[in-house]
Amino acid sequence: DSGVTQTPKHLITATGQRVTLRCSPRSGDLSVYWYQQSLDQGLQFLIQYYNGEERAKGNILERFSAQQFPDLHSELNLSSLELGDSALYFCASSASGGQGGSVYGYTFGSGTRLTVV
Amino acid sequence: GIQVEQSPPDLILQEGANSTLRCNFSDSVNNLQWFHQNPWGQLINLFYIPSGTKQNGRLSATTVATERYSLLYISSSQTTDSGVYFCAVDLYGNNRLAFGKGNQVVVIP
Repeated sequence: DSGVTQTPKHLITATGQRVTLRCSPRSGDLSVYWYQQSLDQGLQFLIQYYNGEERAKGNILERFSAQQFPDLHSELNLSSLELGDSALYFCASSASGGQGGSVYGYTFGSGTRLTVV
Repeated sequence: GIQVEQSPPDLILQEGANSTLRCNFSDSVNNLQWFHQNPWGQLINLFYIPSGTKQNGRLSATTVATERYSLLYISSSQTTDSGVYFCAVDLYGNNRLAFGKGNQVVVIP
């Protein structure tokens, strides 16, 4: 167990629907990162939150949004789903999130496998 | 943006063999990490290695930051080493990683 918890592990939904993926970071970590892993794009950074505030955006579609709550868990919301959104979505956490980085890098959760049919 | 290239893309090893995976990156980086993705999809952090050499059991890694490459060595490979190895770099020291496409490793008994 990495300490980063993602739920659900698997999700199957239809095109046009909306889903929410949840992530609880490792105890004490303030930063949460979301990544998407797809066959054609590989692993891509989507968005980062640090202590409740959005810190950076990567290749995240406008149909996608995220937030980090006061208890530091995070949710990634995916709406108007398309077949191409089928992917493995990872959450990672780290102790820091700003300049200087984390001495030990960061830790990934087990991922949520989303299948859009 | 920064380019991260890994080679070889695919590797088949006999159990007990040694191998070297390479990661080239196109710009100076603040951080470099190696991850192993097992057949169940889980990403495991192997090394945080912006420079120098580290060893962990049968695995070791070396990063030569001035020449913009890193190497991951697998010695006496086992079937459990199968999976995809990813190199990821952090350009600005903010922990946002750019990943290579990975090295797919299959270890056969």
